[in-house]
Amino acid sequence: AQTVTQSQPEMSVQEAETVTLSCTYDTSESDYYLFWYKQPPSRQMILVIRQEAYKQQNATENRFSVNFQKAAKSFSLKISDSQLGDAAMYFCAYRSGVQGAQKLVFGQGTRLTINP
Amino acid sequence: GAVVSQHPSRVICKSGTSVKIECRSLDFQATTMFWYRQFPKKSLMLMATSNEGSKATYEQGVEKDKFLINHASLTLSTLTVTSAHPEDSSFYICSARETAGVNEQYFGPGTRLTVT
Repeated sequence: AQTVTQSQPEMSVQEAETVTLSCTYDTSESDYYLFWYKQPPSRQMILVIRQEAYKQQNATENRFSVNFQKAAKSFSLKISDSQLGDAAMYFCAYRSGVQGAQKLVFGQGTRLTINP
Repeated sequence: GAVVSQHPSRVICKSGTSVKIECRSLDFQATTMFWYRQFPKKSLMLMATSNEGSKATYEQGVEKDKFLINHASLTLSTLTVTSAHPEDSSFYICSARETAGVNEQYFGPGTRLTVT
């Protein structure tokens, strides 16, 4: 079974600085998807970024980018120019690329605090 | 687009009673919906996968007779917590996977259940 591990329960960063959240995963599959979700205090889950395993290019979404290292099974999230609104729980998630596969496997989460 | 609603957002019920939570995809069709449970400061735990027109698939350890799931249409799934007890108090989140397009999962805002 696939597993996702986030080894940083909490992280903090100064406003406008850059922070990187770590995520590693374990799978024997070659085709899969990786995600970062944000859960602010409202508890609404928000998709931050998505990466297809077959793509070598790292995904980016404005201030958010990932460092996808397939061989190392690592998928870190970099947040540039941190803003107060970035404060939230961040969850890394895995989904198999097998046809019909649907489940998301979540990591334990990292609570990110932004210091003004 | 891609909005998922949940109703109610908060519910308090007495021990022994049943409570129903609705999950609706407002602007897309969802053949599959998912029900998660989230304990305080913890990750999302998948309870079951709900498929339109068929029986739900429950994760190991989740009592199907206690957590009844019905997915009667392409836009509505319901979770009924039967004979609720205080230990069922939790935050319940649904997500819906769009039938067309990139099959992305979209999350509802969650339901806070308190059993007294």
